[in-house]
Amino acid sequence: GDSVTQMEGPVTLSEEAFLTINCTYTATGYPSLFWYVQYPGEGLQLLLKATKADDKGSNKGFEATYRKETTSFHLEKGSVQVSDSAVYFCALSDGTGGFKTIFGAGTRLFVKA
Amino acid sequence: SQTIHQWPATLVQPVGSPLSLECTVEGTSNPNLYWYRQAAGRGLQLLFYSVGIGQISSEVPQNLSASRPQDRQFILSSKKLLLSDSGFYLCAWTDQETQYFGPGTRLLVL
Repeated sequence: GDSVTQMEGPVTLSEEAFLTINCTYTATGYPSLFWYVQYPGEGLQLLLKATKADDKGSNKGFEATYRKETTSFHLEKGSVQVSDSAVYFCALSDGTGGFKTIFGAGTRLFVKA
Repeated sequence: SQTIHQWPATLVQPVGSPLSLECTVEGTSNPNLYWYRQAAGRGLQLLFYSVGIGQISSEVPQNLSASRPQDRQFILSSKKLLLSDSGFYLCAWTDQETQYFGPGTRLLVL
């Protein structure tokens, strides 16, 4: 079945460092890909998404490109801030039937001042 | 705009007691609805999803159940809580692809 694998955390960075969180997926169809973010004590919220190959999703300085050839959707940010400290989830949705979304295990990011 | 509510926000319950968590969605009709559980420091576990009133699909066998008595209301229940039921419970709805999450209910079973 479909699956999402993302790098284990925690990831600890200093403020203004470059961030990469790796995500790869397995899917039989043509899924849409997502990054969700969860701030402490809150529910998840959509950070960005891409619906087809070579699309780039971007939001709040974060970017991810849908790479079909490598089945990847890595999250990047050029300069992280303390306020980016959160858990990041990579996910895919194939949009079929009950519209289930497959989530990765999540990667916790700590940004130090 | 659409909003999703969950209550209570926090709950402390003794082992063996019943549970009822409620989720309501505003601003959309006939949404697909989901219940997830997140154990401390862990990822999301899909518990139930519903594509319409009275239609519930269970993803994981356990002592929890779900009901959808109205189009925009989704309830998670248990007759007798276990210690292992502790966690952060999230309700979500979808617009076909993107999932929109509620603020969550933190449940501690003692």
